[in-house]
Amino acid sequence: SQQGEEDPQALSIQEGENATMNCSYKTSINNLQWYRQNSGRGLVHLILIRSNEREKHSGRLRVTLDTSKKSSSLLITASRAADTASYFCATASGGGADGLTFGKGTHLIIQP
Amino acid sequence: DAGVIQSPRHEVTEMGQEVTLRCKPISGHDYLFWYRQTMMRGLELLIYFNNNVPIDDSGMPEDRFSAKMPNASFSTLKIQPSEPRDSAVYFCASSFGTSGYNEQFFGPGTRLTVL
Repeated sequence: SQQGEEDPQALSIQEGENATMNCSYKTSINNLQWYRQNSGRGLVHLILIRSNEREKHSGRLRVTLDTSKKSSSLLITASRAADTASYFCATASGGGADGLTFGKGTHLIIQP
Repeated sequence: DAGVIQSPRHEVTEMGQEVTLRCKPISGHDYLFWYRQTMMRGLELLIYFNNNVPIDDSGMPEDRFSAKMPNASFSTLKIQPSEPRDSAVYFCASSFGTSGYNEQFFGPGTRLTVL
């Protein structure tokens, strides 16, 4: 079953602009992770935020987590054409369940 | 390290045939996961192993699907008999430690087409 739901499903912006994607989930989590998938490729881990963290940065990426609202956001600043990809949030619920539950993703297109 | 290796990258087969997908995880990783990706259902966890032992196979859709991990460096996902609705991209991923605390590393996937 899908735990994370990304919003929007698709996003098209101009190069240099910021891109924001949101993720909502349903059950309690240990951590939330964001992954990127380029067309025809495997998923690449971007960032992991633990349930006791509220914000995390990695280069041009900024992730926030609001456990009270069961939501997270991924911000990509100063977007580049190479950022064109699908972005997925994934949750790890812990409690002995070790697999990740993925949302359906946001397809981001950066217009040059 | 070469990362997670999957073979074949593409597989086209006819309905009713047996299909075997292969995965070599990153050396030293103790968790291995099999996922399936389709447009309709997104990414679904099929099964995962910890130290070569299957832990949760509740995502395996039917008895036609089976997975093994005979040693720490090799796993297979088998579909017998295959059906057109099995067409999907199958990913293998590995991690060091539980997903509760660690990232997963994905292979490039096997695109399966069942005619």
